[in-house]
Amino acid sequence: NAGVTQTPKFQVLKTGQSMTLQCAQDMNHEYMSWYRQDPGMGLRLIHYSVGAGITDQGEVPNGYNVSRSTTEDFPLRLLSAAPSQTSVYFCATRRGAGTQYFGPGTRLLVL
Amino acid sequence: SQELEQSPQSLIVQEGKNLTINCTSSKTLYGLYWYKQKYGEGLIFLMMLQKGGEEKSHEKITAKLDEKKQQSSLHITASQPSHAGIYLCGADGQRGSARQLTFGSGTQLTVLP
Repeated sequence: NAGVTQTPKFQVLKTGQSMTLQCAQDMNHEYMSWYRQDPGMGLRLIHYSVGAGITDQGEVPNGYNVSRSTTEDFPLRLLSAAPSQTSVYFCATRRGAGTQYFGPGTRLLVL
Repeated sequence: SQELEQSPQSLIVQEGKNLTINCTSSKTLYGLYWYKQKYGEGLIFLMMLQKGGEEKSHEKITAKLDEKKQQSSLHITASQPSHAGIYLCGADGQRGSARQLTFGSGTQLTVLP
């Protein structure tokens, strides 16, 4: 089992460009989420999904879109990148109230 | 919303020394998770505590949950350079909630050889 995979590992964008961060899981977990990690601020929840076709906003959703068409995939879209979105992004999955598992992260730099 | 405060923010210890990291919640704790992160990598799950007074150990790391104080502590005995990294606590805000975890800002641990 690959667990939680994220692509790409690194990305550099120019302000205004769009991109999609990919997240896939093979654990058949119903809950998936996206976090961003910034120095001194821990992990902040961007968006999450409780199952295919259902998504909801987290703590810092502005500037990001998500969709969940399958159980396995939960892509995060940046429509118009801004320097404030420079961060490390983590995808996570969870089954019910069990342990939350994290992907390896995507480092994003917006110039 | 629930807030988790970790202390200290950073810690430098000599190899072989014991250390403690604390995580205090602004609201009732229903589930407390400890993760470790090495620089540039993802989060590795360490332990989960769900009941007041619960204590769990793995190798030289022990975590405790004090439900009354809304606090958890992570204790490392005889620290080694392999223990270095960022330790994060995360918590469920509501009993039985399957929503995502709220996290503290992390404790950066450096262990000097």
